Amino acid sequence: NAGVMQNPRHLVRRRGQEARLRCSPMKGHSHVYWYRQLPEEGLKFMVYLQKENIIDESGMPKERFSAEFPKEGPSILRIQQVVRGDSAAYFCASSPLGTAITEAFFGQGTRLTVV
Amino acid sequence: AQSVTQLDSQVPVFEEAPVELRCNYSSSVSVYLFWYVQYPNQGLQLLLKYLSGSTLVKGINGFEAEFNKSQTSFHLRKPSVHISDTAEYFCAVSTNTGNQFYFGTGTSLTVIP
Repeated sequence: NAGVMQNPRHLVRRRGQEARLRCSPMKGHSHVYWYRQLPEEGLKFMVYLQKENIIDESGMPKERFSAEFPKEGPSILRIQQVVRGDSAAYFCASSPLGTAITEAFFGQGTRLTVV
Repeated sequence: AQSVTQLDSQVPVFEEAPVELRCNYSSSVSVYLFWYVQYPNQGLQLLLKYLSGSTLVKGINGFEAEFNKSQTSFHLRKPSVHISDTAEYFCAVSTNTGNQFYFGTGTSLTVIP
C-alpha cells in the first residue's frame, strides 16, 4: 500500500510564474489536507478537501492560492503569480476519516523555491 | 481555539543519555495528541498518539509520552538516545470537532556522539 505521494519533490519557479503541487492520497483515503511549513516554523493548516469539495479553507491566503480534489486524479494546490514569500515546504496529508482527526499520513512534501 | 507550545527549540544530548521534549497545549475541548518526527528533507512520520485510555503511550523507536490533563502537557521521552534520533520533533493536537492538526513550532534534537 503506497503512502501519500507528492510531486514534484522540489520545484523552482521565478517570481510571477504559477506553481502546481500534486498529492495522491493513500488508497482508500478520501480526505486530504494541505499544510505549509515556512523555514524555522511548524506546519500551518491551509485547506481540507474531500472528493470534489472544499470543506475548510480557513488557512488559505485569500489571493493567488487555490486547491482542488477532483473525482478522478490527485489533489492539486495551485499558487498563481508566486512571490519570494511563497518559498516553503508544502505537505499533504490524507486520512480515512474527516472530523475527529485521529490518524493522518503525511507525504514527503514539495519544496518550493521562488527565485 | 487550540494551540501548542514547544518551549525548547533546540535540545542537544549525548548519545545513550535520556531525553525529554516538552509539549504543552491549550484547548477548551477534549483533544487528541500526537508526536511526529521529521528527518532532514523528509515528510512527517508518526511516533505516537494519545486518543483515550492509558495516559502513558508507547511509540516507535523506543519513544513514549505521557498525557497529563491537569498540566495540559504531553511530553516525549526516550531513556537512551541514538545518533539516528537526530531530527525535528513536532507535537500536534486535534479535536473531535475540528478539521486540522495544530502543530507546535518543533524541537530540533541533536544527538552528540
